[in-house]
Formats: sequence, C-alpha cells, structure tokens
Amino acid sequence: QMQLQESGPGLVKPSQTLSLTCTVSGVSISTGGYYWTWIRQLPGTGLEWIGYIYYTGSTFYNPSLESRLAMSVDTSENHFSLKLTSVTAADTAVYYCAGTKGGITPDYWGQGTLVTVSS
Amino acid sequence: DIRMTQSPSSLSASVGDRVTITCRASQRIRSYLNWFQQKPGKAPKLLIYSASTLQSGVPSRFSGSGSGTDFTLTISGLQPEDFATYYCQQSYSTPQTFGQGTQLAIK
Repeated sequence: QMQLQESGPGLVKPSQTLSLTCTVSGVSISTGGYYWTWIRQLPGTGLEWIGYIYYTGSTFYNPSLESRLAMSVDTSENHFSLKLTSVTAADTAVYYCAGTKGGITPDYWGQGTLVTVSS
Repeated sequence: DIRMTQSPSSLSASVGDRVTITCRASQRIRSYLNWFQQKPGKAPKLLIYSASTLQSGVPSRFSGSGSGTDFTLTISGLQPEDFATYYCQQSYSTPQTFGQGTQLAIK
C-alpha cells in the first residue's frame, strides 16, 4: 500500500522560497506508472493543481505558477520535492502530495501540510 | 485552462436520501473525470475515476456517469459519514483543474 508524507517548514517569510518534500513508502518511486503530484488548497477555497513530475524527471507545471516553480525527484531517497520561489501571502495553503496513476487518477494522497507565508 | 463548474455549491439532505451533484466542463474531456470526497482537516479521497469507475473500497451507493462535458455523482441512500464536500477534477489536459466543490450538509 502506497503512503505519502509531506515535510517542510510550516512558516515561510514573504519573498523567500517554499520548499517541501514528499516521502513515498510502499512502492519505489522509479517503478513507473505514477506521476508524482503537488496540489494545494487555499484557505476556505478549493483545490489547485500545482504540477507533477515523473521519475525520469519530466515535469508538467501549472502555467500560473511555472515561473516560480521547480520540482525534482530523488529515486535513491524515494522522495520528490517542490520549490516555490518569491512567495507571498497568496501562497498560504495546505499543500498535498499525491501519486497520480497514469497521470490521470490521483489515488494516493499525503495528509497535507499547512504552509503559512508571513513575516 | 479547462473550467469545471459544479452545482449546486451546497445542499442539505437527510440520511437515506438520494442526491445528485453535477459537474460541467468548459470543453470536452471525454471520460477523464474524477470525483473526490473531503472531510474537514483531511485530504481528498478518490471515489470515482474515469467518470464512472468506483475506486476500490468505496461503497456501491456512490456512482458516477457522464462523458464529454456533463457529469454526475449520485449517492443513493445517504449515510451519516457521507456529509462532506465533494469535488470533481478533470485529468484530460494539464493544468488539471477542479470544480469549486459542493458542500453536503445534514438537513
């Protein structure tokens, strides 16, 4: 059974870089078939797809965030990561990592981690 | 981006009721439509994928239908644990997008 767990700072200062890691257990991240995904939920609102990365390093980003976004995968540590630069209060959200089967079915999710952007 | 519009935004119902939530895509997405249930403080849970396929372990009172631009999620015989927020998501093209959510409350 696949499990995912987000980790990273819960508080980031404006203009700095938000960095999160998602550790995957129960399956090798390099097995293939899954796209490793980041999704966020802004306070009181709905869900926003940030992007995903395949184990080969191929990435697919939301154009609304692409200029500030970088994802990476570490197959030796079985985790993948998100970096979002130049954050503002508008980036305050619960960030989820997920495994998206075939790139179309997000069937495994982490529990989510709240990141607050504030000085 | 493909816009996903859910209706209603909220509804109230009683245990045992049958409810239907609709989701409309701004362009055709074939059957690349997922439905999620979210409870407060929890991650979304996949209920239905490919518009009508029930995710393993999800009760059969949940069902999905539709293709193209119009989709529905039906819950037949509401149970107390079904009161939550429901989201649709298109995975036809990136950026994948979600509906705004439907809050299902107890009447």
